[in-house]
Amino acid sequence: EVQLVQSGAEVKKPGESLNISCKASGYTFSDYWIAWVRQMPGKGLERMGIIYPGDLGTRYNPSFQGQVTISADTSTSVAYLQWTSLATSDTATYFCARHQGTGALDFWGQGTPVSVSS
Amino acid sequence: SYELTASPSVSVSPGQTATITCSGDKLGGKYVAWYQQKPGQSPVLVIYEDDKRFSGIPERFSAANSGNTATLTISGTQSVDEADYYCQAWDSSMIGVFGGGTRLTVL
Repeated sequence: EVQLVQSGAEVKKPGESLNISCKASGYTFSDYWIAWVRQMPGKGLERMGIIYPGDLGTRYNPSFQGQVTISADTSTSVAYLQWTSLATSDTATYFCARHQGTGALDFWGQGTPVSVSS
Repeated sequence: SYELTASPSVSVSPGQTATITCSGDKLGGKYVAWYQQKPGQSPVLVIYEDDKRFSGIPERFSAANSGNTATLTISGTQSVDEADYYCQAWDSSMIGVFGGGTRLTVL
């Protein structure tokens, strides 16, 4: 059974760093891209970027390039989404999802709510 | 950047057919997927590669993609289908983009 299990909710202050995770199981981690998706409160879905664990190649939505870093550890089958300096506008729920070869996101994590407030 | 436009809301009576549309430039040349999201839950893949139902999705869900418009059709809509629906376009030159979402209300 394919499962993506994300780390828990976070409450942070502006300027702080953050690293959230997504642990995959039930399939060969290095064979599929992983996508990160943002959903701001009451808003729609936004694709942030993707990583291919097989070669650690990444592609970013231009809106998020330079704002976040996507990485992965194939030894533990975990993908990460990282910020070095959070802003209040980063308040959102972040989802990871497995990315099929034709772009569909077939299995999703449960989401990690992130709240950034002074 | 590529943009998808979806109608903000659709209302339908139980048992009727709901049609949700998504438009974008030359959308027919890209792969379209559709997702269902209920409040407080993660999105669920409904349709992939334009018209293929994902595992476990009822047959009342169907879809098509041609020209500049993709369409998700729910035949015999049930109250359990009330949710937000998102289209997504992808081709190998992009990382994928979502439409703004359509709220389906089953009256």
